[in-house]
Amino acid sequence: DGGITQSPKYLFRKEGQNVTLSCEQNLNHDAMYWYRQDPGQGLRLIYYSQIVNDFQKGDIAEGYSVSREKKESFPLTVTSAQKNPTAFYLCASSIQTGHNQPQHFGDGTRLSIL
Amino acid sequence: SQQGEEDPQALSIQEGENATMNCSYKTSINNLQWYRQNSGRGLVHLILIRSNEREKHSGRLRVTLDTSKKSSSLLITASRAADTASYFCATDPNTGGFKTIFGAGTRLFVKA
Repeated sequence: DGGITQSPKYLFRKEGQNVTLSCEQNLNHDAMYWYRQDPGQGLRLIYYSQIVNDFQKGDIAEGYSVSREKKESFPLTVTSAQKNPTAFYLCASSIQTGHNQPQHFGDGTRLSIL
Repeated sequence: SQQGEEDPQALSIQEGENATMNCSYKTSINNLQWYRQNSGRGLVHLILIRSNEREKHSGRLRVTLDTSKKSSSLLITASRAADTASYFCATDPNTGGFKTIFGAGTRLFVKA
């Protein structure tokens, strides 16, 4: 079955540590996204990528970095510069960016601080 | 504040009843989407309604869009315990660029 796989499901970060969240899709989608979800809030866009080797900052990119070296993969690194990283992180993809494009989501990674 | 805001924040009903959730937004849009999220899981796309459409159906779901009032509603008929989830509206503003903006969601609890 096609879909999006996020790993790990749970992740703990120590102070000053960078951690990387994995996102892989086999839907052959061009566009991929990273969102952050805090309790009782909607999703906020961290980064998105319209095509391989290209990515753009979203609304809350500070303290995060991404790469898009392969169409299937869009890893997110939470750096030590992100002072409040505890949240639920969701990766999504769509056929393309732009209007009228439903997004398909992974099941998320919950990041906590040790 | 966010583009899409759902109302109510939480809703508790009995199985078999209908559930109605509302979404209001601020700027003109290309389309509006509704998503569902089960606890601890990712979002699942339910339905997309374009700005030139007024109503759309999918199974037990009925979505309406009133662009003059900048609002949409999601109706789930004959609700089931399995419908218990959070429901989010997501708008695609007509700003010339790409952005999908998600509201804070309505938490629906259907009691068996």
